[in-house]
Amino acid sequence: DAGVIQSPRHEVTEMGQEVTLRCKPISGHNSLFWYRQTMMRGLELLIYFNNNVPIDDSGMPEDRFSAKMPNASFSTLKIQPSEPRDSAVYFCASSLETFGGYTFGSGTRLTVV
Amino acid sequence: AQSVSQHNHHVILSEAASLELGCNYSYGGTVNLFWYVQYPGQHLQLLLKYFSGDPLVKGIKGFEAEFIKSKFSFNLRKPSVQWSDTAEYFCAAPGGSYIPTFGRGTSLIVHP
Repeated sequence: DAGVIQSPRHEVTEMGQEVTLRCKPISGHNSLFWYRQTMMRGLELLIYFNNNVPIDDSGMPEDRFSAKMPNASFSTLKIQPSEPRDSAVYFCASSLETFGGYTFGSGTRLTVV
Repeated sequence: AQSVSQHNHHVILSEAASLELGCNYSYGGTVNLFWYVQYPGQHLQLLLKYFSGDPLVKGIKGFEAEFIKSKFSFNLRKPSVQWSDTAEYFCAAPGGSYIPTFGRGTSLIVHP
């Protein structure tokens, strides 16, 4: 099993540009989570999906952030327009159950300049 | 709101020293508790988890954790740390809808 696959690993973009982060969960896992990690705020849950349906997006910081899961094997997190304060490491994680142990992807380090 | 508190933000030890990292959670219902480790520049990996049964849980790499319900605690321990244990450690406990809420993490540095 290749684990949770995230792309890109690193993204540097200019303020105002659209950024799309991608995640492929482990096959058979029915829950998918997007987290953001910063020094100031630690690990924050942005949104999670269960069986491809968004269940809780209360952690999404503002309308500039959106996430989709069109099928069981793919999810995207989009930021439009991006701002310097969005700079962080974004992790995707999946699990067999909502409350189970998660498998994290390697993360996308986003830098907005 | 549910919360997870990790008391030690930074811990510095010498090799072979014993380790105990504190974790307290506020959720009073059925708990699923986790410890994750994040090595420098890497993603979080599951160290161990507790769902039910024996409150003393064994994990990978010689780590263990004890669930004490009366204290709302789930402390992580290792009898003898190694330089390779240098990492960030995160405790997670149920938040809303049983989704784990992560603590702020404890940075462990082990000197050889």
